[in-house]
Amino acid sequence: KEVEQDPGPFNVPEGATVAFNCTYSNSASQSFFWYRQDCRKEPKLLMSVYSSGNEDGRFTAQLNRASQYISLLIRDSKLSDSATYLCVVKGPEGGSYIPTFGRGTSLIVHP
Amino acid sequence: DGGITQSPKYLFRKEGQNVTLSCEQNLNHDAMYWYRQDPGQGLRLIYYSQIVNDFQKGDIAEGYSVSREKKESFPLTVTSAQKNPTAFYLCASSILRQGVDTEAFFGQGTRLTVV
Repeated sequence: KEVEQDPGPFNVPEGATVAFNCTYSNSASQSFFWYRQDCRKEPKLLMSVYSSGNEDGRFTAQLNRASQYISLLIRDSKLSDSATYLCVVKGPEGGSYIPTFGRGTSLIVHP
Repeated sequence: DGGITQSPKYLFRKEGQNVTLSCEQNLNHDAMYWYRQDPGQGLRLIYYSQIVNDFQKGDIAEGYSVSREKKESFPLTVTSAQKNPTAFYLCASSILRQGVDTEAFFGQGTRLTVV
């Protein structure tokens, strides 16, 4: 059930490239996501993570099933990227697949 | 517009009182979830439901109760047995596809404070 993330904060200048990792313990996990959560707001889906890796603009997500981790790479960081990034893993739980959240990684992008 | 609506946004409760948090979705999603988030912490699962009239305990179900009488609605009751109920409560829903959930969509949350 464990999903582990470095809580940070990661403090980076605008334009920097930053990467977050997330490890999970359940090898039977099936689905993987990155969510973004702004202060005192609800989490919102940033992107799903596929086995082949996927990219959405400045964001790249990768999955390594052998080592049981997923990663998120943000290129050319913007001030608006400042938020907490939550790793979500869906693994089997009594016949269902339940989303388990990491504690989140805080990103602060400064001018 | 389709979405998930939680109400109220802010709720104050006196010690010893039960309170019910509302969660309604018009996305026709099968699965619904309740999470609790404490400051600086991740989301912890309280209860979830994948079909009407059925629900399962999550990791921290003690002191909470739920019902799923309609597909669209999944209210959460915080009972007086919950020792530390002050937190941010988030409701989420997702569709079920071939037995594996897709991504979850969240309501805007309810901030519960015990006074």
